[in-house]
Amino acid sequence: KQEVTQIPAALSVPEGENLVLNCSFTDSAIYNLQWFRQDPGKGLTSLLLIQSSQREQTSGRLNASLDKSSGRSTLYIAASQPGDSATYLCAAGSGNTGKLIFGQGTTLQVKP
Amino acid sequence: NAGVTQTPKFQVLKTGQSMTLQCAQDMNHEYMSWYRQDPGMGLRLIHYSVGAGITDQGEVPNGYNVSRSTTEDFPLRLLSAAPSQTSVYFCASSRTGGRGNNEQFFGPGTRLTVL
Repeated sequence: KQEVTQIPAALSVPEGENLVLNCSFTDSAIYNLQWFRQDPGKGLTSLLLIQSSQREQTSGRLNASLDKSSGRSTLYIAASQPGDSATYLCAAGSGNTGKLIFGQGTTLQVKP
Repeated sequence: NAGVTQTPKFQVLKTGQSMTLQCAQDMNHEYMSWYRQDPGMGLRLIHYSVGAGITDQGEVPNGYNVSRSTTEDFPLRLLSAAPSQTSVYFCASSRTGGRGNNEQFFGPGTRLTVL
């Protein structure tokens, strides 16, 4: 059974820092891994999707990597800003149902 | 494109009442799904559909029904609401399910309280 873990559960950093959010999964037979952002009381916003054949994806200050062999994905945020404060969720896609298995999320606070 | 829309945004029900949560998407996506989000439990799949006329159960289907008569709409029905169904419900869609370009897009959610 696929399990997805995100560490740390919460993170507080000063503005301007580069930071890394971690996501690990137990079953390497995934077909993709997706990173989302969730603001309090809001829905999920897709940030990056990495297909199983890819190593990384980039969008602006965000870079996500995928290492299937080690069961890990990382989300790198460069030059963090207070507007980056939110909960970041990773989700692994596997099987034939289109089902995403979500981690519990990392809640990020960027202080001005 | 409006993307994925959900109505209502908030709902309070009494135990035993029934209701339908609406979900629609305007991206011509074949795959649609419903998740519930609970503190400490994360997001869990309730039901999903790979196309009009085709639905299947997810991880936590009990107490919920779905149907998919059109590509655009995927309503979720609570048959007899229970306090355990108090949660935030999210609808999602993607071009396909499984492999391929299947980036999933989520709606804004429906916050349901069952008294």
